[in-house]
Amino acid sequence: SSELTQDPTVSVALGQTVTITCQGDSLGTYYANWFQQKPGQAPILVIYTKNNRPSGIPDRFSGSSSGDTASLTITGAQAEDEADYYCNTRDSSGIHLVFGGGTKLTVL
Amino acid sequence: QVQLQESGPGLVKPSGTLSLTCAVSGGSVTSPNWWSWVRQPPGKGLEFLAQVNHGGYTNYNPSFKSRLTISADRSKNQIFLKLNSVTAADTAVYYCCMDDVTVGATLGYWGQGTLVTVSS
Repeated sequence: SSELTQDPTVSVALGQTVTITCQGDSLGTYYANWFQQKPGQAPILVIYTKNNRPSGIPDRFSGSSSGDTASLTITGAQAEDEADYYCNTRDSSGIHLVFGGGTKLTVL
Repeated sequence: QVQLQESGPGLVKPSGTLSLTCAVSGGSVTSPNWWSWVRQPPGKGLEFLAQVNHGGYTNYNPSFKSRLTISADRSKNQIFLKLNSVTAADTAVYYCCMDDVTVGATLGYWGQGTLVTVSS
C-alpha cells in the first residue's frame, strides 16, 4: 500500500484549471515531485521540489503544498495534458522513495 | 544528453532470478549522483525498488526485504538490478532512473523501460 494518497480520477474542461492532490504524513517534512505518464510512455518529471519546472515543461504546470498535502495545478489545461499523474516524495524514514497511487486526468 | 537504456531477459520463470542492466550515457556512474529502479505492473502504478549512489551506498524498498540487489559497474558505466524468487506479481515494466543533480531533481531522467514477464 502507498503512503501517499491521490484521487484515482479527475476531469477538467479544456482550457480550465485543475488541481490534483497528494496526501501523506511525510509531505509535512519532504517536498513532493510530480510525474506525468502518457499511455505506452515512460513517466517524465513535470514538477520537482514542490514548485520547480524542468526545462521544457510548460509554465501552466505549477506545484504547491500545505501541511501534509501537495498539489499539482494545471492552469488552462490542454488536450495533451490528458495523462496519469504521480506524486513522489520520501517516506517517514527519509530514506526510501514512495509514489502515490496515481491520478488519471481526463480533459473534456 | 543523458540516456538510460534498460535491458533484460523479457521472460523469467517463477522462483528464478530477474537480472536487469541499465546502460548510462551522457553521464558517469562515478560522478556524484543517484540511480534508481522503479517498476510498474501492467495497468498499475509506479513502485520504487532501490537506489545506488556514486559511492556505492544503497537503499531498498523495505517491502522487498532481501530479494533485491542493486549495484554499479564503473568500468562499464552500467547499473544493475537483481530480484530473487520472482512470482507472477513481479511481472512489470522496469525503469532505470537518474537524478538531475544540476538542478537537484529526484528521478529527473528515465529510461524507456523494459517489460519483464514472470511465467513458466
